Amino acid sequence: DAGVIQSPRHEVTEMGQEVTLRCKPISGHDYLFWYRQTMMRGLELLIYFNNNVPIDDSGMPEDRFSAKMPNASFSTLKIQPSEPRDSAVYFCASSGTGVERPQHFGDGTRLSIL
Amino acid sequence: SQQGEEDPQALSIQEGENATMNCSYKTSINNLQWYRQNSGRGLVHLILIRSNEREKHSGRLRVTLDTSKKSSSLLITASRAADTASYFCATDNNAGNMLTFGGGTRLMVKP
Repeated sequence: DAGVIQSPRHEVTEMGQEVTLRCKPISGHDYLFWYRQTMMRGLELLIYFNNNVPIDDSGMPEDRFSAKMPNASFSTLKIQPSEPRDSAVYFCASSGTGVERPQHFGDGTRLSIL
Repeated sequence: SQQGEEDPQALSIQEGENATMNCSYKTSINNLQWYRQNSGRGLVHLILIRSNEREKHSGRLRVTLDTSKKSSSLLITASRAADTASYFCATDNNAGNMLTFGGGTRLMVKP
């Protein structure tokens, strides 16, 4: 059974460029979460979706960040324009319905903005 | 701000010893979960304890929860080198669909 799939695994780009991170959740899961992990701030929730609808985006740092979920099997997190302080590991996670549902994480995208 | 705070931040032990990690949180919860993260990988769910439970076991893992003190502990018995990882506690919001993660404990188990 495939887990959460994220691409790319690594991304290095120059500041000002647009960055698009991709996520395929586990089939049948109706919650999808985007997190950012840094040494300084730990693991931060950026946004989450339920049934493809954004529920809480209060963690999105700035208007430069946007996320979409056009269907149940795909989501993107876009940064435009990117800045060096956006360098981090970005994780996507999915979970099923129910109060006691664990989240299943992808292996992340390590993003470096030069 | 982080809901859960782990203690200690780092722990180094010898193989075969027990490892205890603690987590404190601030607001009321429905459940508390523990996750493990190996270097370069995503988080993996280990165990969940409900707010009305005081202790739970899973293999070599033992989790306790004290809601009066808003704290939890994760005990790994007879540790192995493969247990080397970061361990995070996570608490849910009252709706039960969002998790807030603590800063994690980095555990190193020396062979």
